[in-house]
Amino acid sequence: KAGVTQTPRYLIKTRGQQVTLSCSPISGHRSVSWYQQTPGQGLQFLFEYFSETQRNKGNFPGRFSGRQFSNSRSEMNVSTLELGDSALYLCASRPEGRGEEKLFFGSGTQLSVL
Amino acid sequence: GESVGLHLPTLSVQEGDNSIINCAYSNSASDYFIWYKQESGKGPQFIIDIRSNMDKRQGQRVTVLLNKTVKHLSLQIAATQPGDSAVYFCAEIPGGSYIPTFGRGTSLIVHP
Repeated sequence: KAGVTQTPRYLIKTRGQQVTLSCSPISGHRSVSWYQQTPGQGLQFLFEYFSETQRNKGNFPGRFSGRQFSNSRSEMNVSTLELGDSALYLCASRPEGRGEEKLFFGSGTQLSVL
Repeated sequence: GESVGLHLPTLSVQEGDNSIINCAYSNSASDYFIWYKQESGKGPQFIIDIRSNMDKRQGQRVTVLLNKTVKHLSLQIAATQPGDSAVYFCAEIPGGSYIPTFGRGTSLIVHP
């Protein structure tokens, strides 16, 4: 099976712009989660989607949003970018079911906000 | 909220040595723990997990120990190799949840 695929790999944006990141989960995985990784804060949970519905949300402002499509692919959007949004954004998928808590991560999208 | 922490941000070892990476957790409701390895330019990768009804679990060259009394988790890597150089994260998941809280990470550097 192919792993979790994230595009683009790198992005450079300026303050005030908006950005959309894409994630294709492992085939058969219906849960997709997004994480922000920075040197200062580590891995922070953004949100989780399952069956096109946001099931859990972390402690991030409303500028961070996401969605999931019927094929389980997911996108996240950040509007009105700030310098502090510079980070590695990781997508992770997992199969649904009891005992299936471990996450399978993509390589991430490195976002730089100038 | 409660968080998972690590004692050592950086661990340097010689090739062939055994490595021990420690993690303290604070949520007594956590009943599932996972260790992830993140190599440069990649996302975290699952290494080994353990549930709270166990105190030890072994994999290939890796062992995870869980001490619920002091809320401590450790990852032992036997005969450490240069390819083991990476950042290692512990993660805890409370019972009834499946959203992990990650520790800050420990950078393991293996010198040939």
